[in-house]
Amino acid sequence: KAGVTQTPRYLIKTRGQQVTLSCSPISGHRSVSWYQQTPGQGLQFLFEYFSETQRNKGNFPGRFSGRQFSNSRSEMNVSTLELGDSALYLCASSLDGGVGSPLHFGNGTRLTVT
Amino acid sequence: AQSVSQHNHHVILSEAASLELGCNYSYGGTVNLFWYVQYPGQHLQLLLKYFSGDPLVKGIKGFEAEFIKSKFSFNLRKPSVQWSDTAEYFCAVNARRGSTLGRLYFGRGTQLTVWP
Repeated sequence: KAGVTQTPRYLIKTRGQQVTLSCSPISGHRSVSWYQQTPGQGLQFLFEYFSETQRNKGNFPGRFSGRQFSNSRSEMNVSTLELGDSALYLCASSLDGGVGSPLHFGNGTRLTVT
Repeated sequence: AQSVSQHNHHVILSEAASLELGCNYSYGGTVNLFWYVQYPGQHLQLLLKYFSGDPLVKGIKGFEAEFIKSKFSFNLRKPSVQWSDTAEYFCAVNARRGSTLGRLYFGRGTQLTVWP
């Protein structure tokens, strides 16, 4: 069974631009979560989607948004990029986000903002 | 808000040494607890999890962890480490009430280096 796939693996953008990251969950998984990983803050929760609905949201500004499609694939968008948005963005999927349904992580997208 | 503390940023051991990585969380309610591992160049993988029942849980590759509710701790242990255990280890927690497993609070991670 294929794992969680994130594209692209690497991105370089300049301040003020916007970026879209993509995540394909494991087949059959309906919950997709996004995390930001930085050396200073560690892993921080961005949001979670289930059946095309945002079910949970972390403490990030409105520049960070996401969506989920009917096939459970998810995208994350960051507008008006800032230098501090440079990070590894991780996507994780689970069957339904409930007890007994642990997260499976992708390899991440490394975003560099210059 | 929930938070997770991992006491050691970097641990260096020789092969066959015993390992214990500390993890404490702050949350007054019922929690689910996890340890994830990230090997060099690989994605985060679930090592073990605790939902309920026996507070001593066993995971993959000989790892185990003990949940001590009174101490808000979930320490990871392995009696004899191998060079292949070199990785970064993350403790994570989420609350049972009002949230789902999709929202985890992670510790900052502990880098384990094992010398052959």
